[in-house]
Parts: sequence; C-alpha cells; structure tokens
Amino acid sequence: DTGVSQNPRHKITKRGQNVTFRCDPISEHNRLYWYRQTLGQGPEFLTYFQNEAQLEKSRLLSDRFSAERPKGSFSTLEIQRTEQGDSAMYLCASSLGGSLHGYTFGSGTRLTVV
Amino acid sequence: AQSVTQPDIHITVSEGASLELRCNYSYGATPYLFWYVQSPGQGLQLLLKYFSGDTLVQGIKGFEAEFKRSQSSFNLRKPSVHWSDAAEYFCAVGFDAGNNRKLIWGLGTSLAVNP
Repeated sequence: DTGVSQNPRHKITKRGQNVTFRCDPISEHNRLYWYRQTLGQGPEFLTYFQNEAQLEKSRLLSDRFSAERPKGSFSTLEIQRTEQGDSAMYLCASSLGGSLHGYTFGSGTRLTVV
Repeated sequence: AQSVTQPDIHITVSEGASLELRCNYSYGATPYLFWYVQSPGQGLQLLLKYFSGDTLVQGIKGFEAEFKRSQSSFNLRKPSVHWSDAAEYFCAVGFDAGNNRKLIWGLGTSLAVNP
C-alpha cells in the first residue's frame, strides 16, 4: 500500500489547452473522489466514483471537466479549454466505503493556467 | 444546511506553547468529525477522527480533539507545539445521510509557530 498517488505534481499550461491528471487510489478502496482547492480555501467536492460508476458530480464541474475511472482502479480528470480560473490544486482521495472510513488523500496536482 | 466553521483564519503561537484550534458545525444529528493537516504544496493528512464513543480522541503527532455535543464543537488541541506543526489545519464533517459520500470542509486555520 503506497497510498494515493497523483500525477503530475505540477502542471503549467497555456489558456485554451487541454490537461489530464491521473489518480491511483489505494488498491482495495472502492471509492475515489476528486476535489479542487484554491488558495486560502478548503477543498471543494467535484465528483466521486464507486468502483467504475461516477455517482455524483458537483455543479462546479462544468462541461469542460470530465472524469473517468474505466476499470474501477485509477481515475483521470480532464479539463478542456483551460481557463485561468481553473488554476488550483486538484486533490484525489480514496476510501473503502463512505465517510465512516474517512479519506486518504494524495499529494495533489497543482495546475497553473497562464 | 450543514456547515463547518473554523473561526480563526490565522493563529500564531510560540514553540512549546499549547494550541487550540476551534471547529463548530451545524447539523441536526451527530456527524462524523475529522481534522486534517496540510503542509504547503502538499495533500491532506488525517490527524484524527471521531465517529462515536469516547468524546476525547487521540491522533497522530501528539494532537487530540474533543467532541462537545452541547456546543457543536470539535476543537483540536496540542499541549506543546513544535515548529514543524506550522501548517494549514482543516476541520471536516461527514454526514450519515443515506448514501453519504463526501465531506463538508471548513475554510482552514493557518498556524504559524514562532521560535
């Protein structure tokens, strides 16, 4: 068990480009969550998966954002046509079951859109 | 609506001093309560959690927290702060409502430690 792994750690992209982040959860965890955190704020929920099914998406997740977890293991979060307002830390977490088991977070991917 | 409040945006303490970070929540029943710590540029690390039972919870790095139902609070404490404790601290609450699946977060308290 190496914890939750996120790649890349940092990403700088030009406005209008597409970016994709990857999250590898703890292997036995069936739930995977994506959060976004801007400076000075707590994490904001974006979406979550139970196994391969995406069960909820926040209103924060505009149509430029898409997340997948094709085999119920790793997940990808893609942002199309990035905007400067997308600059944030994108955090992935996994858990076994719901909040009763808490979450294990990855170190995050920091996105800077220039 | 459920909410989590961390009244102190920023706290500065001297190394070796005691620490208390406040967290209040708004919910009609007993939630699941968490404290996380985040160092600059890093992800979130779980310090401790409360689900039920003893209202005084021990966590990692010498931290503890006490759940007080009457005050809807879950304050984090440490008797003697170390310089390495400087970080951002987040209180989070999980609600057992059917297919509960996410946490509600406070805005965080930034802790600075003077030598």
